Amino acid sequence: AQKITQTQPGMFVQEKEAVTLDCTYDTSDPSYGLFWYKQPSSGEMIFLIYQGSYDQQNATEGRYSLNFQKARKSANLVISASQLGDSAMYFCAMREGRTQGGSEKLVFGKGTKLTVNP
Amino acid sequence: EAQVTQNPRYLITVTGKKLTVTCSQNMNHEYMSWYRQDPGLGLRQIYYSMNVEVTDKGDVPEGYKVSRKEKRNFPLILESPSPNQTSLYFCASTLRRGYEQYFGPGTRLTVT
Repeated sequence: AQKITQTQPGMFVQEKEAVTLDCTYDTSDPSYGLFWYKQPSSGEMIFLIYQGSYDQQNATEGRYSLNFQKARKSANLVISASQLGDSAMYFCAMREGRTQGGSEKLVFGKGTKLTVNP
Repeated sequence: EAQVTQNPRYLITVTGKKLTVTCSQNMNHEYMSWYRQDPGLGLRQIYYSMNVEVTDKGDVPEGYKVSRKEKRNFPLILESPSPNQTSLYFCASTLRRGYEQYFGPGTRLTVT
């Protein structure tokens, strides 16, 4: 079974509008972390935002925020005021494992291609 | 400048010819990983290392070897490459568990 599911292969948004990219995850481990990465056409992987399973508040980083709904096992990325430069692939990822002696195994979703239209 | 470097960036080789892709980080990170990225599959972890001489398999370790003899270096070895290992490979490092992973620029490997 997939551990990270991104159901939107492609998304379109108008410049200056907000967009939500969906991510659901599956784990029985109470300690986990969720990441979002951006991959522009140039190919590099850019870290955007992180949410820990025990974090009380939703993570925010500038125009990026993470809508973390633990009971629903979802960690959607919200990009506010979209810019043309936001056009890229976006990957959701999860790290499982307990802090003490745990692994650093990161599992990625298949990604969502976001296109920002002028 | 804090960074993860990979070499080579592009490589075309033939089936069965052993190759090594190097990865080095200058941030004194404990954890390092290798991923491969294939269209429609996202990134899949090949191997990771929690410290010097400590490595473990990721999701797709078959056909690959790694070693971590120094903290800064984590080379990926393909002893007998096959065409199904044609892919884009990323090395990544992170200071501690739960922190973001810093990715290298990627190595595009083609095995004919």
